[in-house]
Amino acid sequence: AQKITQTQPGMFVQEKEAVTLDCTYDTSDQSYGLFWYKQPSSGEMIFLIYQGSYDEQNATEGRYSLNFQKARKSANLVISASQLGDSAMYFCAMRGGRYTGGFKTIFGAGTRLFVKA
Amino acid sequence: EAQVTQNPRYLITVTGKKLTVTCSQNMNHEYMSWYRQDPGLGLRQIYYSMNVEVTDKGDVPEGYKVSRKEKRNFPLILESPSPNQTSLYFCASSLGGQERDQETQYFGPGTRLLVL
Repeated sequence: AQKITQTQPGMFVQEKEAVTLDCTYDTSDQSYGLFWYKQPSSGEMIFLIYQGSYDEQNATEGRYSLNFQKARKSANLVISASQLGDSAMYFCAMRGGRYTGGFKTIFGAGTRLFVKA
Repeated sequence: EAQVTQNPRYLITVTGKKLTVTCSQNMNHEYMSWYRQDPGLGLRQIYYSMNVEVTDKGDVPEGYKVSRKEKRNFPLILESPSPNQTSLYFCASSLGGQERDQETQYFGPGTRLLVL
């Protein structure tokens, strides 16, 4: 069965510092996709970054990078130079493949990030 | 403007009264999905659809129905709502495929449902 684990319910970071949000996953698919989404207090879901299982390079999107370690099945999000507006809930998600239940998407429980001024 | 719309945004209903939450996207996306969000549980997929007339169960399909008669619309139907279906519901869509731009799911604004 597929599973996403986010072990940090809450994190604090000082403004302008970098922070890493942890995500580990479990799947028996060879082809899968990994995502991070941000949910601010207003409630909308905002796409941040995507990593395909066959991508050899770590994905980057501006201040966001995904530290993909396939053998360890981890997909940690790194936010560089944190800003006050980064305070939000962050979700790690995985899209599975056709061999384990079709193309379902599962989400972790989330990490709430607080950025301190 | 490319978007996913959901209606209604807020709904209070009573146990057993059938309801439908609509979802529509204007991006010609093939993949559409419904999620519910509950505190401490993240988002859980209810149903998804790979294309017109193709739907499949997510992790929590019990008590819900969906249909995909047109590419742009993917309504969520609660035939007999119960209080444990009180939740925040999100519809999402993507192009479909296995590249970044194809896989990225765009979410609607959410529908907050309270079942009394």
